Amino acid sequence: DIQMTQSPSSLSASVGDRVTITCRASQSISSYLNWYQQKPGKAPKLLIYAASSLQGGVPSRFSGGGSGTDFTLTISSLQPEDFATYYCQQSYSTPCTFGQGTKLEIK
Amino acid sequence: EVQLVESGGGLVQPGRSLRLSCAASGFIFDDYAMHWVRQAPGKGLEWVSGISWNSGSIGYADSVKGRFTISRDNAKNSLYLQMNSLRAEDTALYYCAKDKGTGTIPGGYGMDVWGQGTTVTVSS
Repeated sequence: DIQMTQSPSSLSASVGDRVTITCRASQSISSYLNWYQQKPGKAPKLLIYAASSLQGGVPSRFSGGGSGTDFTLTISSLQPEDFATYYCQQSYSTPCTFGQGTKLEIK
Repeated sequence: EVQLVESGGGLVQPGRSLRLSCAASGFIFDDYAMHWVRQAPGKGLEWVSGISWNSGSIGYADSVKGRFTISRDNAKNSLYLQMNSLRAEDTALYYCAKDKGTGTIPGGYGMDVWGQGTTVTVSS
């Protein structure tokens, strides 16, 4: 099975900051990497698919990059509604594993 | 409106069975692969199982393989998860999710529509 490791596990930042979350796969997954945002009590929301493609309706301050084993999610200027938990997920092979999550908190 | 509505959760004793259902609407159900994803209380997301558009390809997490069975009825726009030999560690909120991609497993493009989930509690 492919293991997905996110860093950091938690992050404190301020409105307007630029933040980057990293996700590493235990083997190459090409560009089959997706990012989700989850707020408390809500279902996850797809932000980025295929490593760098922005899902419809998602603000352009979100961007994704990387290929192979190393990937990033960047939020260019944090907004109050961005404080949430973020998960990466590989869709290269089953089981389609998630990272452990990164909780983004207000500083 | 594209919508997924899960049902069938509840309190069940260890070793017993439960069947979850997911009713889909607002999109052409048999064009897409579908998934079950769960989240234990206070924990992260865990992919449980996925099924291709025609049920020709199915995958499971190691933690449920041999105990859970995913299926779909395209005529009824419905997805199912039969859960047998339930354990305390299966306690979670179970989400049904639509694959964004071509209908195969693994779809390659993530899960773009999610239900609100149904809660399964395994306890004596």
